[in-house]
Amino acid sequence: DGGITQSPKYLFRKEGQNVTLSCEQNLNHDAMYWYRQDPGQGLRLIYYSQIVNDFQKGDIAEGYSVSREKKESFPLTVTSAQKNPTAFYLCASSSGQGSNEKLFFGSGTQLSVL
Amino acid sequence: GDSVTQMEGPVTLSEEAFLTINCTYTATGYPSLFWYVQYPGEGLQLLLKATKADDKGSNKGFEATYRKETTSFHLEKGSVQVSDSAVYFCALNSNDYKLSFGAGTTVTVRA
Repeated sequence: DGGITQSPKYLFRKEGQNVTLSCEQNLNHDAMYWYRQDPGQGLRLIYYSQIVNDFQKGDIAEGYSVSREKKESFPLTVTSAQKNPTAFYLCASSSGQGSNEKLFFGSGTQLSVL
Repeated sequence: GDSVTQMEGPVTLSEEAFLTINCTYTATGYPSLFWYVQYPGEGLQLLLKATKADDKGSNKGFEATYRKETTSFHLEKGSVQVSDSAVYFCALNSNDYKLSFGAGTTVTVRA
């Protein structure tokens, strides 16, 4: 079945540690996204990529980094510079054909600080 | 910039009750409008969408009409079920690849 796979489902970070969240899609989508979800705040865009080897900052990119070396993969690194990393992280993809295209979401990764 | 405001929850209903979740937006141009649903522990799924004024999106008994004059896209369902318990997000996309989401409304339906 086609879809988006996020791993791990739960992740714990120690102080000063960088952690990487995985996102893989087999939908042959050009565009991929990372959102952060906090209770009562909806989803906020961290980074997005419209094509391989290119990505742009979203609304809350500070303390995060991404790469897009392959079309199927868009990993997110939460660096030690992100002082409040506890949140639910959602990866999404779309065909990238326009503003009325729907996003397909993964099941998310819950990141917590030890 | 673009923004979405939706009614705050949580909303608690009995089965077969009528559900309305209000959503209003601010955007430049003519955005596409969406409702996404998130079931516990999962990602979001598209529930319905509308791409131009007066369009009505519908799916699984839910409906929403794109009202340009009131900049609204309210979600309605005539008779909810326990399985409709979820978080509902209103969203818009105006001219690029980025969706702007509302804060989400938690709906609980009791048997």
